[in-house]
Amino acid sequence: EVQLLESGGGLVKPGGSLRLSCAASGFTFSNAWMNWVRQAPGKGLEWVGRFKGKADGGAIDYAAPVKDRFTISRDDSKNTLFLQMNSLKIEDTAVYYCTTEGYSEIWGYDFWGQGTVVTVSS
Amino acid sequence: EIVMTQSPATLSVSPGDRATLSCRASQSISNKLAWYQQKPGQAPRLLIYGASTRATGIPARFSGSGSGTDFTLTISSLQSEDFAVYYCQQYNNWPPCSFGQGTKLEIK
Repeated sequence: EVQLLESGGGLVKPGGSLRLSCAASGFTFSNAWMNWVRQAPGKGLEWVGRFKGKADGGAIDYAAPVKDRFTISRDDSKNTLFLQMNSLKIEDTAVYYCTTEGYSEIWGYDFWGQGTVVTVSS
Repeated sequence: EIVMTQSPATLSVSPGDRATLSCRASQSISNKLAWYQQKPGQAPRLLIYGASTRATGIPARFSGSGSGTDFTLTISSLQSEDFAVYYCQQYNNWPPCSFGQGTKLEIK
């Protein structure tokens, strides 16, 4: 059974940093394309970034609002995806989800974690 | 960046009736469109990809159609568990991928 478990969320002041983790199990993590998607309170879904699987070159892409502030990394030996968030802004407040991309289906964000809440406030 | 626009923002439908949700792309995305369902307090769930292919385990009452810029999600006979928020997502021209703002399907 595929499972994704995010952790690391919390309350942080503007300008601060936070590191989220997503522990994966039940599938071959090293080859999986992984994404971070966020959802601000009462709002819709926003793509944050993607890390392609090792077999596909491991490229990383970011959404414009987080580029140069957020860094996605992965530890395939520990089946874990990370999101390092620096220079946090109030508008980064959201639930952050990690997802697989096209793992069990030809395409789509087919598995999601339960999300971790990040609150940026003074 | 491709902008996805969903309509209506809220749709009120009675159980057992048909619901039709729309999604429009700001430029052609071929059939590179997915639909997700999100219930309160839960993560989204993939329903449809490739505009019309149901994901594993999705009931046949969910169907998707369209290509180019105009797409539709139809739920043929609404069950109580179908009342939720639905998002479309384009993946033809990305990064970035982009989501619509969502349609809330509520009980009439």
